[in-house]
Amino acid sequence: SAVISQKPSRDICQRGTSLTIQCQVDSQVTMMFWYRQQPGQSLTLIATANQGSEATYESGFVIDKFPISRPNLTFSTLTVSNMSPEDSSIYLCSAAEDRASSGNTIYFGEGSWLTVV
Amino acid sequence: AQTVTQSQPEMSVQEAETVTLSCTYDTSENNYYLFWYKQPPSRQMILVIRQEAYKQQNATENRFSVNFQKAAKSFSLKISDSQLGDTAMYFCALYEAGNMLTFGGGTRLMVKP
Repeated sequence: SAVISQKPSRDICQRGTSLTIQCQVDSQVTMMFWYRQQPGQSLTLIATANQGSEATYESGFVIDKFPISRPNLTFSTLTVSNMSPEDSSIYLCSAAEDRASSGNTIYFGEGSWLTVV
Repeated sequence: AQTVTQSQPEMSVQEAETVTLSCTYDTSENNYYLFWYKQPPSRQMILVIRQEAYKQQNATENRFSVNFQKAAKSFSLKISDSQLGDTAMYFCALYEAGNMLTFGGGTRLMVKP
């Protein structure tokens, strides 16, 4: 199974600043995704990180606020820009592993718990 | 559009007993995957079990098994011999290959000693 490392695991950020979260997968994966999980809620997809091209954003999320990079098949970053207290959430990176023998499985990183003060 | 519904926001079970968590979904695709994830207080999303839609046989992983009813679009999770460490949020999720993973609202499970 793919192992996903995400950092930082936790941070306290000042209002108005930006923070970049890194996601590293130990194997090449077909798709990578970024999710947000606000306190007490389920996961909401922010965007699909596309290798070598612009990310595909879901409704309610824009590139200026959540720029995403994916320079290769194993690495992606998510930046939360100009943060406000409403951005306090857990941000999770996930990856779709597609094996010929067993099909698709989705794995998650440990999450990055951001608190904006 | 795909949707996933978990109708039980909270459940509890006595240690060593069996509990079943419900999940229904909707998709127009024929090729998809279903997952149950566990999220303990550490917030790590842990894959519990997965099911390929084209397989009729229900998936089983140790104490965890599913009842996959494709026609009814139902995918319930059964936890046998519940343990205190099973206390967590459980999310049902649907994945259409090449698309995105859609989550249900979650069920908070409490295992009581």
